[in-house]
This record gives sequence, structure tokens and C-alpha cells, in this order.
Amino acid sequence: RKEVEQDPGPFNVPEGATVAFNCTYSNSASQSFFWYRQDCRKEPKLLMSVYSSGNEDGRFTAQLNRASQYISLLIRDSKLSDSATYLCVVNLVATSGTYKYIFGTGTRLKVLA
Amino acid sequence: GAVVSQHPSRVICKSGTSVKIECRSLDFQATTMFWYRQFPKQSLMLMATSNEGSKATYEQGVEKDKFLINHASLTLSTLTVTSAHPEDSSFYICSARDPRDRGSTDTQYFGPGTRLTVL
Repeated sequence: RKEVEQDPGPFNVPEGATVAFNCTYSNSASQSFFWYRQDCRKEPKLLMSVYSSGNEDGRFTAQLNRASQYISLLIRDSKLSDSATYLCVVNLVATSGTYKYIFGTGTRLKVLA
Repeated sequence: GAVVSQHPSRVICKSGTSVKIECRSLDFQATTMFWYRQFPKQSLMLMATSNEGSKATYEQGVEKDKFLINHASLTLSTLTVTSAHPEDSSFYICSARDPRDRGSTDTQYFGPGTRLTVL
């Protein structure tokens, strides 16, 4: 089983639609959680951290369920510019004592005009 | 957020040559940097954690002698791919943690990546 699992998609949605992505992780000792966005042939960019109480940033809402080891991202009122791959990232404490990121394979989103 | 740069952005080399990639934190000092590799249509895979002034910690399956990491200063880490072969062709991305970030989120900031093509 992969440490972080995501539906690869692609999700093709019309402009203005609401779309939700899910992610599950296997290590219950995971410390913190993020959603990153990656455009084609570019580096990942932080979209938002995910907090236990859930958090919102404009059109984006992230939720965490530690009991189910599940993270979600909701995008409302999709824009063409939201087209990208969304990476679910889990932060673990490595044996060296430093933190390390574990990436999901990403979910591709394409917003259509 | 913090800025991380990488150089070169793209490199094409012949099989058997060595390639050095630099990763710099531009507006902060990074005691820890990370090196990732991403193959087409796959996710980022952590190769190693680079620690300033000490040896890098490599992930399982990553050859230390092939991927040499040097973190000589608080703003620079280098990855050298020695005797590169076509199967080493990939997108190499570094990241760094900004110690000025407070709280438990431990965010990493990524460089723009280096696309390596080995002929």
C-alpha cells in the first residue's frame, strides 16, 4: 500500500464548478499535512497547510480527519487557472530526527471553458 | 514565502559525464535541504536530506556514491550525479525549510527544478 494515495484523475470540470479531491495516508504518526499545486514541468508550490479543525483560503477549503487518515481539498467556483496537478503531502519525522515529506502521486485537474 | 533557486534549470549531457546541480536559499539560511527526483507522470520521490556541515542522509535505494551531496554552507547544497546514464534523466528538485517559520507545519519551499537529459 502506498504511503499517500490519491486518485490520479484527470478531473475535467467546467468553469465555476465545485470539485473535491481526497487523499488517504497510511502512517498514523504523520505530523502535518499540506496541499501543493504543481503545474506542468514546474516545481510544486504550497497551496495550503491542512489543520485538524479544517481551514479555508478563499475558494479553497482543506479538511483533515486523523481518525480515518484522510485529507480533502475542495475548490469552489473553479477557474481556468486552477488547472494543475494537486499534490497531497504528509510530513513524517524520519529516523534521523528531521521531518520528511511524503508526496501522493497527485490529482490532475483540468478546468474547461 | 522563502525563495529557493536552482542552477542550471536544464542540462543535457553525454552518458558517463558528471553533472552538478546547485540549490540556494536566497533570503534565509537553511540548515536542512532536501533533494527530490520526479520521473514523468510520477510523484516526487525524496532522494536525500542534506544537512549543513555533516553527511547527507540518503533514502533507501538511492546510491550514495552516484548522487553526491555537499551542503557546505547555510545557503548552498549541491547534488552531483556521477557517471550519468540515460536512466538518470529526470526532473531534480531541491527544497529547504525556512527556520523563521514558526509552528508545527514545517513547510518546505521548492526550487524551480533542474531537468536532466542524459544522451
